Amino acid sequence: SQKIEQNSEALNIQEGKTATLTCNYTNYSPAYLQWYRQDPGRGPVFLLLIRENEKEKRKERLKVTFDTTLKQSLFHITASQPADSATYLCALASNAGNMLTFGGGTRLMVKP
Amino acid sequence: GAVVSQHPSRVICKSGTSVKIECRSLDFQATTMFWYRQFPKKSLMLMATSNEGSKATYEQGVEKDKFLINHASLTLSTLTVTSAHPEDSSFYICSARPEGSGAFFGQGTRLTVV
Repeated sequence: SQKIEQNSEALNIQEGKTATLTCNYTNYSPAYLQWYRQDPGRGPVFLLLIRENEKEKRKERLKVTFDTTLKQSLFHITASQPADSATYLCALASNAGNMLTFGGGTRLMVKP
Repeated sequence: GAVVSQHPSRVICKSGTSVKIECRSLDFQATTMFWYRQFPKKSLMLMATSNEGSKATYEQGVEKDKFLINHASLTLSTLTVTSAHPEDSSFYICSARPEGSGAFFGQGTRLTVV
């Protein structure tokens, strides 16, 4: 069955460092992969989308890589700030349509 | 950017009553909208796909008679939790996706059934 894995343990880093979050998937051939941020009690907020034929995408302090051979995406936040503290979700979509399948999310804590 | 608005953000209802949650795409048309349920510290679980002008598609294990979905226009989908029970208490979130973009989510609805 399809499986999307994110590190369920919280990631604690110091302000100014680069945070790297991992998303691994099995039994899936996604057309594109997305990353979202979710704050407690709020709906997820779309951050970045990367397609299967793209290796890397950047947006301001965010960088996403997509390795379809390893079946893995890495999400980087450079020069991290306490305001970056949140849960980050990866989600995959197939060619079949708009339906997204979400990973369990990783909670990031950036300490000042 | 695209906006999806969900209402209400919080609702408390008595056991046995029904609750309607609205999801609107404010600046784009959405032929498809999605309804999710999220338990504390868990990820989003897709409940159903709402299709404009046709029946919703429900995920396995989701009771379609309990969670009624209506997608009457290209900008509005509603989820009605019928005969609510305390175990239906949860965080419900809708989403829609403009063409070529990531999905945009509503603010979520915290339902508490007492």
